Amino acid sequence: KNEVEQSPQNLTAQEGEFITINCSYSVGISALHWLQQHPGGGIVSLFMLSSGKKKHGRLIATINIQEKHSSLHITASHPRDSAVYICAVVGRAQKLVFGQGTRLTINP
Amino acid sequence: NAGVTQTPKFQVLKTGQSMTLQCAQDMNHEYMSWYRQDPGMGLRLIHYSVGAGITDQGEVPNGYNVSRSTTEDFPLRLLSAAPSQTSVYFCASSWQSLNSPLHFGNGTRLTVT
Repeated sequence: KNEVEQSPQNLTAQEGEFITINCSYSVGISALHWLQQHPGGGIVSLFMLSSGKKKHGRLIATINIQEKHSSLHITASHPRDSAVYICAVVGRAQKLVFGQGTRLTINP
Repeated sequence: NAGVTQTPKFQVLKTGQSMTLQCAQDMNHEYMSWYRQDPGMGLRLIHYSVGAGITDQGEVPNGYNVSRSTTEDFPLRLLSAAPSQTSVYFCASSWQSLNSPLHFGNGTRLTVT
C-alpha cells in the first residue's frame, strides 16, 4: 500500500461544477503540499498546509492531521483547471512522498 | 528573479554516456532536490540537499551523483546513462525546509537509447 493515496485517479466534470480531490496518508508528516501539473508542463505549487484550511481564489485546501486526510476543492470549475493534481507529504528526514496524482478534465 | 532554472530542456544520450543536468535558483533557498517522473510511478525523490555542502539520498539514488558547493546550484550527474534513466527530471527548491512553498524548475526530458 502506498504511503500517500489520492482519489479519484481520474475525474471528468462539466464547467461550473464543484470539484473535490482527496489525499490520505499513512505516515506522520510535518506538512502537505498540493501541486498542479498541466499536460506537458511544469509543476506549480498550489498550497502548503500544516493545519486547518487555506484559500486562494477558487481553490480551497483543507487538512485534518488526526484523520491523516487532506482535500483540495475547486469552486466554479473551468476548462483551464484541467490538469493533474498531486498531493505530496513531508515525511521524516525532510523527504517528499508523492501521491500518484488525480487527472482532472473539465469540459465546457 | 528567475526562480528555478533547469537546463537542458531536452537531451538524448546513448547508453554509457555521462551528462550533468543543471539546476540553479536565485531565491537563496537552502533546500534543493531532484525528482524523476515516470508514467505510472509518479514523482520520486533522487537526491536532496538541506544546504551548501550537505546532500543525502532519496528513494531512487542509484546511478546519480549530486554535489552542493554553493547555495544557488545543485547539479545532477548521470555517470553512465542507462535506458532505465529515461524520464522527466525536475529540480525543486524551498526556503529553509519542505515546510515552505515549493518552487519547481520546468523539467528536463531525458531519453537514453
